[in-house]
Formats: sequence, C-alpha cells, structure tokens
Amino acid sequence: AQKVTQAQTEISVVEKEDVTLDCVYETRDTTYYLFWYKQPPSGELVFLIRRNSFDEQNEISGRYSWNFQKSTSSFNFTITASQVVDSAVYFCALSEAFNAGNNRKLIWGLGTSLAVNP
Amino acid sequence: GAGVSQSPSNKVTEKGKDVELRCDPISGHTALYWYRQRLGQGLEFLIYFQGNSAPDKSGLPSDRFSAERTGESVSTLTIQRTQQEDSAVYLCASSIYRVRRTGELFFGEGSRLTVL
Repeated sequence: AQKVTQAQTEISVVEKEDVTLDCVYETRDTTYYLFWYKQPPSGELVFLIRRNSFDEQNEISGRYSWNFQKSTSSFNFTITASQVVDSAVYFCALSEAFNAGNNRKLIWGLGTSLAVNP
Repeated sequence: GAGVSQSPSNKVTEKGKDVELRCDPISGHTALYWYRQRLGQGLEFLIYFQGNSAPDKSGLPSDRFSAERTGESVSTLTIQRTQQEDSAVYLCASSIYRVRRTGELFFGEGSRLTVL
C-alpha cells in the first residue's frame, strides 16, 4: 500500500536558520511521482516541486532544495536561510504513474507546520 | 481569473441542512479533485473527475455526499443533511491530464464549512 509519512508535526525556527522537512514514502511501484506543496495561512495550496522516480538528482530553487533518496525512500525538503514568509504547512505527496482506471489521486502526508520567527 | 475559483468561501449552516459548494477549474484542465481538510489535519481525498470517464468516488465518506461535473467545467459538491463532523475546508484542485504522467495540482482557496 502507498503511504507518506511526515514525522515532524510542527517545527519552529528563528529567521535565517536552515530547516529540513522530512518525508518518507512507501510504494510498491517502480514508477511514481513525489510532490511538495506549501499551504500558507491563506489556505491555498501551492505546488513547489514534482519529482519522478527515475530522477534522483537533487534540485535547488533559490533557497529551496530537495534531496531524493530512493535507497531510504525519502524526499526531504530544505529551506536555507528561512524567512518569516516561509511560515506555512508543507505537504509531501505521492502518486503512482499508472493506475487502474486512470485514477490520479495523490497520497498525502499529514503535513509539517513550519513557524519561522523573527 | 486564471486560477481555480471556489464558492462560497465561507458557509455557516445548521445541522440537517443541505449545502452546495462550487468549483470552477482552470480552463483546459480536464482533471478535477475534491478534498476535505479538517482543522489541523491533512488532505482527505473525496472524489476525482477526469474528462468523460466515470468519476472515482471512493473517497466520499457517506451517501450524504455527492458531486457532479458538467463536461470539463464547473463541479458542485453537495452535502445533504449536514452533520457537525462535516465542518471542514473543502478544497478543489484541477490539473492537466497527461497519459502516464501525473501533473501538478492547482488548488482553489477552499470553501470553509461550519455546521452548527
């Protein structure tokens, strides 16, 4: 069965600190996609990144970076030099590439609430 | 607008009443999802529409919940005889459907439902 675990429920850091949000997933599929979404206080989830299972290259986008490790089934997210505007709930999600009936529902983690304090 | 639009943004209703929530997806997005998010919780899948295919209703929690979608446009989520445990934010998302590839979801701001 598919499962996404975000073990950190809440994290609190001081501005400019680096912070890593953990995501561990379970799937029997060899082809799958992993996602990170951000949910700021306004409530609208915002897509951050999609990674397919064949691409283990780490990715960096500004202060954001992602570390995908198939050997440990992890897809961790690091924010460097955190800012107050990074305060949000961050969700990790998993999707199979091929589903019976073309189902594309994502399996979501419960989210990590990040508070960046000035 | 260019994003996913949901209405109403807030709805307060009395227990036992029916409510209807609306979602306007991004034009051209054939895939549409409804999720429920209870306070402090993750996203709970409700239903998925893709083009003219039969919707995946496997996440609907009870027969009081139903959803429709007209073609590749507007969707409505209906909750009949609302209960207090239905109180949550109902999120709609749309996506471009691609064979053998899962696209990113674009979310609306949600409809916050409070059942008194």
